[in-house]
Amino acid sequence: NAGVTQTPKFRILKIGQSMTLQCAQDMNHNYMYWYRQDPGMGLKLIYYSVGAGITDKGEVPNGYNVSRSTTEDFPLRLELAAPSQTSVYFCASSLGLAGGNEQFFGPGTRLTVL
Amino acid sequence: GDSVTQMEGPVTLSEEAFLTINCTYTATGYPSLFWYVQYPGEGLQLLLKATKADDKGSNKGFEATYRKETTSFHLEKGSVQVSDSAVYFCASTTGANSKLTFGKGITLSVRP
Repeated sequence: NAGVTQTPKFRILKIGQSMTLQCAQDMNHNYMYWYRQDPGMGLKLIYYSVGAGITDKGEVPNGYNVSRSTTEDFPLRLELAAPSQTSVYFCASSLGLAGGNEQFFGPGTRLTVL
Repeated sequence: GDSVTQMEGPVTLSEEAFLTINCTYTATGYPSLFWYVQYPGEGLQLLLKATKADDKGSNKGFEATYRKETTSFHLEKGSVQVSDSAVYFCASTTGANSKLTFGKGITLSVRP
């Protein structure tokens, strides 16, 4: 199993540009999550999904969109990049209660908006 | 809402020193508690967990006990190694969609 994979690893965007951060998992997990990690701030939940076709907002959803058309994939879309979106983005997945609520994390995408 | 509070960092220790990282939580209901570790340049990985009061999670020489009376889940290790240098996150969940609430994380540096 590859686990949770994320692409790209690094990206530099100009203000106003758009991009999609890709996330995929091969563990057949229903639950998937997007977090951003800012220095000294821990991880903040952006969006999450409890299954294909179902998504919901987390703590900091503004400026982002998600979709979940398959169990495996959970892309995160930035429509109009802003410097405040400079961060490290982590995708995670979980079996939910059946897996003791443990989340498995991808390696992250480091995004800089200039 | 739920919250997790970790002690302020960073923490610098010499090899073989004793480690304690404090973590307290507030939650409605009875949360499960976790410690995650993030090594440089990597994603988070589960270090240990506990699902009910008085449970002790342990892994790689680290331990943490779920203390309901003090709402705490402090991480301890008797003798740290240079390879333990990482960022440590305490987290909780009450199970609603398995969403985790994270503390801010603390950076541990262990010097030879």
